[in-house]
Amino acid sequence: GESVGLHLPTLSVQEGDNSIINCAYSNSASDYFIWYKQESGKGPQFIIDIRSNMDKRQGQRVTVLLNKTVKHLSLQIAATQPGDSAVYFCAETYYNQGGKLIFGQGTELSVKP
Amino acid sequence: DAGVIQSPRHEVTEMGQEVTLRCKPISGHDYLFWYRQTMMRGLELLIYFNNNVPIDDSGMPEDRFSAKMPNASFSTLKIQPSEPRDSAVYFCASSEGGSRGRGTEAFFGQGTRLTVV
Repeated sequence: GESVGLHLPTLSVQEGDNSIINCAYSNSASDYFIWYKQESGKGPQFIIDIRSNMDKRQGQRVTVLLNKTVKHLSLQIAATQPGDSAVYFCAETYYNQGGKLIFGQGTELSVKP
Repeated sequence: DAGVIQSPRHEVTEMGQEVTLRCKPISGHDYLFWYRQTMMRGLELLIYFNNNVPIDDSGMPEDRFSAKMPNASFSTLKIQPSEPRDSAVYFCASSEGGSRGRGTEAFFGQGTRLTVV
């Protein structure tokens, strides 16, 4: 049969609103969890990471929350701007593997002006 | 530093031809990664090197794919013979590695969009 491409989950928000992007991970042994941003035609770009022994970490306009009980990771973007429009990937890695990343599916964020 | 540099940016080739993708990592980075991105499978790790030595190639799809890193500033990913299902965007990334306490930030190149017809 004919193969069909996956459709990424999409989040649409109004400029200035806060955005929350969610991710479920599978490996409870991972040391780090990371969020990457990918704009059209570009490679993924590091946003923020969190160690497995933490549950919250804040950056500039972004906050990552880690809930190990339910294996859930979220990225919160405050005051979302049009430049935040991109696909966001969560990833997991081990400390001794130099950043070898296992990526999740990705969520497309669309910011309406 | 100019970041991770990949070439070519776009490659269109006929099925059965050999394709070579090139990557120059960031100077001083010990780790180099090759990823493939498709709509069907997302971002997949193909292989990674530490200090020019291949560490894990379990993601390489089959024997048609090979990767080398002859020195710290250059790596290639070769597909021979190429097939239409190899069409994807191939990314190279590099990182300093966890030994220096910064284990997670991998820097990606712009990617090579490969189309095999």
